[in-house]
Amino acid sequence: SAVISQKPSRDICQRGTSLTIQCQVDSQVTMMFWYRQQPGQSLTLIATANQGSEATYESGFVIDKFPISRPNLTFSTLTVSNMSPEDSSIYLCSADRGPSTDTQYFGPGTRLTVL
Amino acid sequence: EDQVTQSPEALRLQEGESSSLNCSYTVSGLRGLFWYRQDPGKGPEFLFTLYSAGEEKEKERLKATLTKKESFLHITAPKPEDSATYLCAVQASGGYNKLIFGAGTRLAVHP
Repeated sequence: SAVISQKPSRDICQRGTSLTIQCQVDSQVTMMFWYRQQPGQSLTLIATANQGSEATYESGFVIDKFPISRPNLTFSTLTVSNMSPEDSSIYLCSADRGPSTDTQYFGPGTRLTVL
Repeated sequence: EDQVTQSPEALRLQEGESSSLNCSYTVSGLRGLFWYRQDPGKGPEFLFTLYSAGEEKEKERLKATLTKKESFLHITAPKPEDSATYLCAVQASGGYNKLIFGAGTRLAVHP
């Protein structure tokens, strides 16, 4: 398994500002993922982050709104840009050691509230 | 389009009352089906991975099974600490390791 931590655990932000969420894994992993969980909803994949290449975004998510960095094999960041109240969600980071091991382990999440 | 449907949305059980949660899926080619447990305010906790029809896995009071169209999570003699949301997710073959999640089943076990 992998132990994943996220910072911050929660934040309250003003409309129009940006927040960067950090994700740290306790060992090197091939693939890292960012998910959004809106209130009362299940998880939706935002993008996949591989080290050394551009992130791959899912339909409905764009790089200008959710820029992602993956500087090494244990760390990634997700920025939520120009926030609006609709961005209020839990943002979750996950990782797997793929391609032969495809189980994803999740961090504790970052609870974001935008006023 | 790949899709995962879980039922029921919510389930209330008495302690010791066994039951099953359902996960129906439509996927172009199944690479794996995953069960997670999520407690309020926390990230999903991995429970099981199933890869092929007929496969079964067990962990304490939980048993997961898989057919070509659905998976069941059987809970035997549940305890209040089993109360959580149980999430089902699938990975399609031929692509990267994207997980497609169902909406989850909220389980409440009362003493």
